Amino acid sequence: ETGVTQSPTHLIKTRGQQVTLRCSSQSGHNTVSWYQQALGQGPQFIFQYYREEENGRGNFPPRFSGLQFPNYSSELNVNALELDDSALYLCASSTGSGTSRNEQFFGPGTRLTVL
Amino acid sequence: AQSVTQLDSQVPVFEEAPVELRCNYSSSVSVYLFWYVQYPNQGLQLLLKYLSGSTLVKGINGFEAEFNKSQTSFHLRKPSVHISDTAEYFCAVSGKAGNNFNKFYFGSGTKLNVKP
Repeated sequence: ETGVTQSPTHLIKTRGQQVTLRCSSQSGHNTVSWYQQALGQGPQFIFQYYREEENGRGNFPPRFSGLQFPNYSSELNVNALELDDSALYLCASSTGSGTSRNEQFFGPGTRLTVL
Repeated sequence: AQSVTQLDSQVPVFEEAPVELRCNYSSSVSVYLFWYVQYPNQGLQLLLKYLSGSTLVKGINGFEAEFNKSQTSFHLRKPSVHISDTAEYFCAVSGKAGNNFNKFYFGSGTKLNVKP
């Protein structure tokens, strides 16, 4: 069974640029959530996708957007990058929306640095 | 809305000693509770979860946690730690936010440093 994978591992961008981060869900999982983990903090929920539709969103501006594809892989897009966007971005997949019971399986993350 | 407080940002402990990592939560609805561990340069791994039933939950690597509804706590314990337990530990709470969507709230983390 393949776990959750994310690419790239590390990324350096400058202010104002755009970035796309990718996530491949664990086999059989149809729900993906994205989190931002700033240095020294816990993960903060960005949004969740269920069967290719956004199913909930945290307190992040619209320049954070996402996609989920038919194979349940996912992208996180961030436009107009700001210095405070520097963080570890985590993707988590799970089976089915609507149940907190389902364990979220996390990928290793993408470390984004904005200069 | 829910929130999670981890009172200790760092906990140093000697190998084979017991440890308790504290977690308190606030919520106006029923919640599910989780503990995750994060090793350096890795994602989060689930240690254990409380969904319902027995308030004492056993997880992997010898960890356990007790759900205390009256004190709104979910403290993580291990009777004897190993060097390999050195990592950051996150407490998380999840509750329904409408439309069958469940959002996870994480605490700020506790770094466990096990010394030889």
